[in-house]
Amino acid sequence: AQSVTQLDSHVSVSEGTPVLLRCNYSSSYSPSLFWYVQHPNKGLQLLLKYTSAATLVKGINGFEAEFKKSETSFHLTKPSAHMSDAAEYFCVVILGYSSASKIIFGSGTRLSIRP
Amino acid sequence: DGGITQSPKYLFRKEGQNVTLSCEQNLNHDAMYWYRQDPGQGLRLIYYSQIVNDFQKGDIAEGYSVSREKKESFPLTVTSAQKNPTAFYLCASSWGEEGGLETQYFGPGTRLLVL
Repeated sequence: AQSVTQLDSHVSVSEGTPVLLRCNYSSSYSPSLFWYVQHPNKGLQLLLKYTSAATLVKGINGFEAEFKKSETSFHLTKPSAHMSDAAEYFCVVILGYSSASKIIFGSGTRLSIRP
Repeated sequence: DGGITQSPKYLFRKEGQNVTLSCEQNLNHDAMYWYRQDPGQGLRLIYYSQIVNDFQKGDIAEGYSVSREKKESFPLTVTSAQKNPTAFYLCASSWGEEGGLETQYFGPGTRLLVL
């Protein structure tokens, strides 16, 4: 089955320390991979996307993610957390490149930042 | 400014009542989507439309209906057949280029509550 798994439902870090949000996918195709952020009661905002170009993708607000095909992972990182990073983060996979493309959302990771 | 608007921000439904959520975009996107978000879960696709006058069921279409009479508008009706409609509803749009589902841009969402 094709799926996306966010390994942590909640991550808590101190301000100024690194952030790691984990995402693994299962697919027999070469997927397109995205990370979105959602602040409370708001829509989703695109952080970054991977579409078979460079495996290290830089996004907005200092976030980046590395596509590792051998590990089927697309983990999101940031060197130094800021209080404004507190939000829900979703890993999204788009499988296939045809009219039958399927979008799969991970269940989300809630990031909390301690002062 | 280009973007996606959803209205209203909050919507209350009485038992047995149909309600319609509005979604409008001025991004000239071909494809539009409706998702439902429940606490602690990822987004689930309700319906999507890749072109005017055409739409497809997503993973949880039962109890919902849509129309796509204009490129910029994709209203969602939550019918009385939807037994658990309380959720946060997100609309999205994308270029939907031939053969693929591209990066999606999200509206701010509508929170539906049942009285």
